[in-house]
Amino acid sequence: LAKTTQPISMDSYEGQEVNITCSHNNIATNDYITWYQQFPSQGPRFIIQGYKTKVTNEVASLFIPADRKSSTLSLPRVSLSDTAVYYCLVGAQDSNYQLIWGAGTKLIIKP
Amino acid sequence: DAGITQSPRHKVTETGTPVTLRCHQTENHRYMYWYRQDPGHGLRLIHYSYGVKDTDKGEVSDGYSVSRSKTEDFLLTLESATSSQTSVYFCAISESTGGHEKLFFGSGTQLSVL
Repeated sequence: LAKTTQPISMDSYEGQEVNITCSHNNIATNDYITWYQQFPSQGPRFIIQGYKTKVTNEVASLFIPADRKSSTLSLPRVSLSDTAVYYCLVGAQDSNYQLIWGAGTKLIIKP
Repeated sequence: DAGITQSPRHKVTETGTPVTLRCHQTENHRYMYWYRQDPGHGLRLIHYSYGVKDTDKGEVSDGYSVSRSKTEDFLLTLESATSSQTSVYFCAISESTGGHEKLFFGSGTQLSVL
């Protein structure tokens, strides 16, 4: 099963670019990398997903190096409302299919 | 937002009583999941369903059962609640599976077992 490792917490300031890196050394060939955001008292919300190289959408970018053993979520020009927990997931399919959720990265944005 | 409704939003119950949590979706997605979230553990999969009457166990299924009699409803039952089942329970849905599905989550149910 592919396990991910992320920093427990990060701080930044409004207007800065924030990069959160996730390591997944035993990612499988067919695995995708997906990031979710969770605010207090809410369920996680899908942010972005990728397989290789770079993916960009309206809220974030995802950078994946050629070996795919890590990935970086990039949040441009963060605001206070980006304060949340961010989860990196790698698709893990076996006889009992399930995704493995780590503890996530608690991102705190300061004024 | 995806049409997922969890009920109740909050529940307090006593040890040994049965509890049923309901998840209702209006998206007609095939896959439905029940997760629990506890401090320091992230989300852990309890059970999931890949179709009507088709369910399977997740990582932490002991003490829980599920049923899916209709595409839109997925029920989670604690036959005899214990204090260790105090947690926040999230329902999720997805259109596909295979490691690259996008999960859509409900707002959660806060369950306290006294």
